[in-house]
Amino acid sequence: DTAVSQTPKYLVTQMGNDKSIKCEQNLGHDTMYWYKQDSKKFLKIMFSYNNKELIINETVPNRFSPKSPDKAHLNLHINSLELGDSAVYFCASSQDGGLRGAKGNTIYFGEGSWLTVV
Amino acid sequence: AQSVTQLDSHVSVSEGTPVLLRCNYSSSYSPSLFWYVQHPNKGLQLLLKYTSAATLVKGINGFEAEFKKSETSFHLTKPSAHMSDAAEYFCVVSMNYGGATNKLIFGTGTLLAVQP
Repeated sequence: DTAVSQTPKYLVTQMGNDKSIKCEQNLGHDTMYWYKQDSKKFLKIMFSYNNKELIINETVPNRFSPKSPDKAHLNLHINSLELGDSAVYFCASSQDGGLRGAKGNTIYFGEGSWLTVV
Repeated sequence: AQSVTQLDSHVSVSEGTPVLLRCNYSSSYSPSLFWYVQHPNKGLQLLLKYTSAATLVKGINGFEAEFKKSETSFHLTKPSAHMSDAAEYFCVVSMNYGGATNKLIFGTGTLLAVQP
């Protein structure tokens, strides 16, 4: 079974459209993330949720709206898509670190969603 | 602030020869460090991680890395390269957000090519 699964894997859409990418993890983790990989392969965090609560929001345009219906799901909705949104979007999850912190906890990534805006 | 620097954007080796991918980190406290690998059009797979236990860390597929505090380095090595090792490798440092979550800060990646 895939631990972190995201759909769709490939998405080609026109500028101005609204699209969603879905993510589910079956690892029982409390924390989920969205990372963006640009055309130069640089990876950067976008959002982090812990038990459905937003923890990290890295100055992402508000056209991007994450939604976490439960702790196993974190979907990414993007409004009014722009050419610059073309990238690979990775969903990920990790276990809550509790009092000792989550610094050393492994983050497990999905296979990525390749978004192309034309 | 935490950061990582991968010193080589491209490394090319011959099959059967050693691999060395270099990474230096900057951290205001004891870091957690990771190496992830990304094969073409694939997701990110954890190779190994250091979390303040043994300084020599063994990972999957014969890779290992040594944490050297005096040099602020966490270089990735493998004694003998295989064609299937050709991929992009990311050195990563982790930043904690109050226990509930952490934030990975990625290096710019090193593309490993393996020649037959």
